[in-house]
Amino acid sequence: AQKVTQAQTEISVVEKEDVTLDCVYETRDTTYYLFWYKQPPSGELVFLIRRNSFDEQNEISGRYSWNFQKSTSSFNFTITASQVVDSAVYFCALSERNAGNMLTFGGGTRLMVKP
Amino acid sequence: DAGITQSPRYKITETGRQVTLMCHQTWSHSYMFWYRQDLGHGLRLIYYSAAADITDKGEVPDGYVVSRSKTENFPLTLESATRSQTSVYFCASSAGRTTDTQYFGPGTRLTVL
Repeated sequence: AQKVTQAQTEISVVEKEDVTLDCVYETRDTTYYLFWYKQPPSGELVFLIRRNSFDEQNEISGRYSWNFQKSTSSFNFTITASQVVDSAVYFCALSERNAGNMLTFGGGTRLMVKP
Repeated sequence: DAGITQSPRYKITETGRQVTLMCHQTWSHSYMFWYRQDLGHGLRLIYYSAAADITDKGEVPDGYVVSRSKTENFPLTLESATRSQTSVYFCASSAGRTTDTQYFGPGTRLTVL
């Protein structure tokens, strides 16, 4: 069965610090997809990134970067030079090819960026 | 360009009443999903639908009923609401199978008294 673990339930940083959110997953499928979503205080879920299991290249988008390592079953998310607007709950999620497009979410990490 | 909308955004009801949460998407996505979000449990899948007239149970389907007569709509009904169904409900849609991203609606905050 698929499982996603976000061990950090809450992280607090000061603005401009770099911060990494950890995500560890479990799956028996060889083809799967990993996602990160952001849930700001307003409550909506915003899609950030999708990664498939055959693409281990790291990705950078502005201040955001993602490190995918199959060897450790991890898909970590780093925010560089954090800003107050980055304060949100961040969810990592996993979808297996054989699971009919069903997402399994981690418990989320609440990030608080203080000015 | 509405994307995916949910109504109502907030609902207060009483135990035993029937409640229907609406979800509408304008992308003609094949798949639609209902999740609930509770403190300590994250998001959990209630039901999903692969196409009109095709629905299937997720992780926590008990106490819920869904239907999908049109591709764009996916209502979720609580036939007899219980306090344990107090939650935030999210609808999502995706174009296809695991290759596609799920996009979420704004959520409905339901309180059952």
